[in-house]
Amino acid sequence: AQSVTQLDSHVSVSEGTPVLLRCNYSSSYSPSLFWYVQHPNKGLQLLLKYTSAATLVKGINGFEAEFKKSETSFHLTKPSAHMSDAAEYFCVVSDPSGFQKLVFGTGTRLLVSP
Amino acid sequence: GAGVSQSPSNKVTEKGKDVELRCDPISGHTALYWYRQSLGQGLEFLIYFQGNSAPDKSGLPSDRFSAERTGGSVSTLTIQRTQQEDSAVYLCASSRGASGMFDEQFFGPGTRLTVL
Repeated sequence: AQSVTQLDSHVSVSEGTPVLLRCNYSSSYSPSLFWYVQHPNKGLQLLLKYTSAATLVKGINGFEAEFKKSETSFHLTKPSAHMSDAAEYFCVVSDPSGFQKLVFGTGTRLLVSP
Repeated sequence: GAGVSQSPSNKVTEKGKDVELRCDPISGHTALYWYRQSLGQGLEFLIYFQGNSAPDKSGLPSDRFSAERTGGSVSTLTIQRTQQEDSAVYLCASSRGASGMFDEQFFGPGTRLTVL
């Protein structure tokens, strides 16, 4: 079965400093991996996706993630945090039967201080 | 255009009562999904509708949970004889329904259910 583990429930950074949100996956197949962001009182939004093309994936708002098969990781990074980045971030893997069933991690809350 | 909408935004009910949660998908999307987000846990897949095909109910936690989709559009998730452990945010998503390729799911804002 597919699963993802988000190693940190909370991450705090200062505005302008780098962001690193960690995710490790477990999959019997070549996985498709995603990061979703959930701002307060708003719906989940797709940030970026990896579907077996380039291992370095660029997303919206300056975020990117690198698929590392040897480390079974898909960490999310951003060079410089902005106050508007404060939100909950979910690492997600899709069920091998199709993209329809998404398996979510428990989420990492990113706090950005001035 | 309009996104996925859900109603009500908040629902408080008493243990043992039935509740209905509504989802309006994006117009033209043939696929519709329900997820549950419990405190401290990630989202849990509940059920998936695709066009006129039989729904994938593999994620429903018990037979107290059911969902239907009328006319291939609006969907209702029903929870009978609610229990306190049913308290959660219920999220609906829709997608174009493309098969064999990545099909982005667009999420609604959710319904927060509290069972007293």
